[in-house]
Amino acid sequence: AQSVTQLGSHVSVSEGALVLLRCNYSSSVPPYLFWYVQYPNQGLQLLLKYTTGATLVKGINGFEAEFKKSETSFHLTKPSAHMSDAAEYFCAVIRASGGSYIPTFGRGTSLIVHP
Amino acid sequence: NAGVTQTPKFQVLKTGQSMTLQCAQDMNHEYMSWYRQDPGMGLRLIHYSVGAGITDQGEVPNGYNVSRSTTEDFPLRLLSAAPSQTSVYFCASSYLRDQPQHFGDGTRLSIL
Repeated sequence: AQSVTQLGSHVSVSEGALVLLRCNYSSSVPPYLFWYVQYPNQGLQLLLKYTTGATLVKGINGFEAEFKKSETSFHLTKPSAHMSDAAEYFCAVIRASGGSYIPTFGRGTSLIVHP
Repeated sequence: NAGVTQTPKFQVLKTGQSMTLQCAQDMNHEYMSWYRQDPGMGLRLIHYSVGAGITDQGEVPNGYNVSRSTTEDFPLRLLSAAPSQTSVYFCASSYLRDQPQHFGDGTRLSIL
């Protein structure tokens, strides 16, 4: 079964520091990969997606992620954290299998940004 | 440009009561889904639909019912509410099943 693992339920960084949120998926077949962000009391918003093509994907708000098939990873990065980046981040996979498409979300990583 | 609209935003129920969570989208999306979000558990898929008249079970379907009579609407019914169903419920839609989903703002449901 397809699963998504996000390492670290909480990540704390200082403003201006590098942000790295980790996501690994279990599959031998390249799936469709997404990162979403959730601000308090809101629904999820798409940050970026990987389907096919270039393995380095750029998203909104300065975030990017790199698909590494050999490592089955899709880590999210941002060079310099802003206070406004504090939110919950979810990695998600949609794997096609036998005509079925079931989205699977990781458990989320809460990003804390210190002044 | 409403996107995905969920009502109500908050609801408190007593054990055993039934209710319907409403979800409507105005983007002509074929794929719609319901999730529940619990602390530390991420989002878990309850039911989904690939078009009007077609629904299927997700990861945690027990205690919930859905129907899809139109492209726009995808209501979620709690048949007999239980405290374990206290959660935040999100509805989402996408043009295709493998495309990014658009989420509503959620319904916060408490079962006493």
